[in-house]
Amino acid sequence: DAKTTQPNSMESNEEEPVHLPCNHSTISGTDYIHWYRQLPSQGPEYVIHGLTSNVNNRMASLAIAEDRKSSTLILHRATLRDAAVYYCILISGNTGGFKTIFGAGTRLFVKA
Amino acid sequence: DSGVTQTPKHLITATGQRVTLRCSPRSGDLSVYWYQQSLDQGLQFLIHYYNGEERAKGNILERFSAQQFPDLHSELNLSSLELGDSALYFCASSVRGLGNEQFFGPGTRLTVL
Repeated sequence: DAKTTQPNSMESNEEEPVHLPCNHSTISGTDYIHWYRQLPSQGPEYVIHGLTSNVNNRMASLAIAEDRKSSTLILHRATLRDAAVYYCILISGNTGGFKTIFGAGTRLFVKA
Repeated sequence: DSGVTQTPKHLITATGQRVTLRCSPRSGDLSVYWYQQSLDQGLQFLIHYYNGEERAKGNILERFSAQQFPDLHSELNLSSLELGDSALYFCASSVRGLGNEQFFGPGTRLTVL
C-alpha cells in the first residue's frame, strides 16, 4: 500500500506563508492526493485535492511534483485558526478496491 | 457544521459488549465512510459504502460490521468489545466515490472499560 510521510510538526508566524510537505514515493497512477486538517476536538475537514496538476482553492494551494512522489500544501497567509493537524492522504480508486491511507499528519503551530 | 450527524456523541460500555454507532450523511450524499481514530494508531479507514453497497474495506476487524440502509444512513456495529477498541469513530460522506471531498461528522467517542 502506498504510504505518506510528513514531518511531525511545523511552526509558522501569523500572516506568513506555510509550506507543508508530504512524501509519497510509492504512489500509483490512480491515487489522488488529498489534504485534510483536523482542528482540536473536531472531525477532519477537507482542504484540497489533486491528481497531477497544481490546484488552487480559497483555502490553499497544492503543488504536486512532476513525478508525483511528493506534494506541498501551501497556506498563503497563516492565521491562528489554521493551527491544526494536517493530513496528507492518498485515495486510490483502482480496480483493486478503494483505499484511504492516512499519514501521521503534521501538527502546525501558528505564533501570533 | 458539515451536515453529517453521528449518534451518540459519547458511549461508555464494558468489555465483551456490543454497540451500534449511527451516521446520517449529508442530504444527497451517496457514499458513507467509517474511520477509527485512536491515540496509538492515528486515523484508520474502516469501510466505505456507496448507495447501500460495500465498496471498500480497510483495517476493519472481523468483530466490526457496518451497513448502509435504503435511506442512506449507516450503522457501525462493534461486538465483543476490547479495551483497545476505545477510540473516536468518525463517519464521513461524499457525493460519490473516494475521489470526492469527504465531509466528516463530529464523531462518537467510545470508551470500553
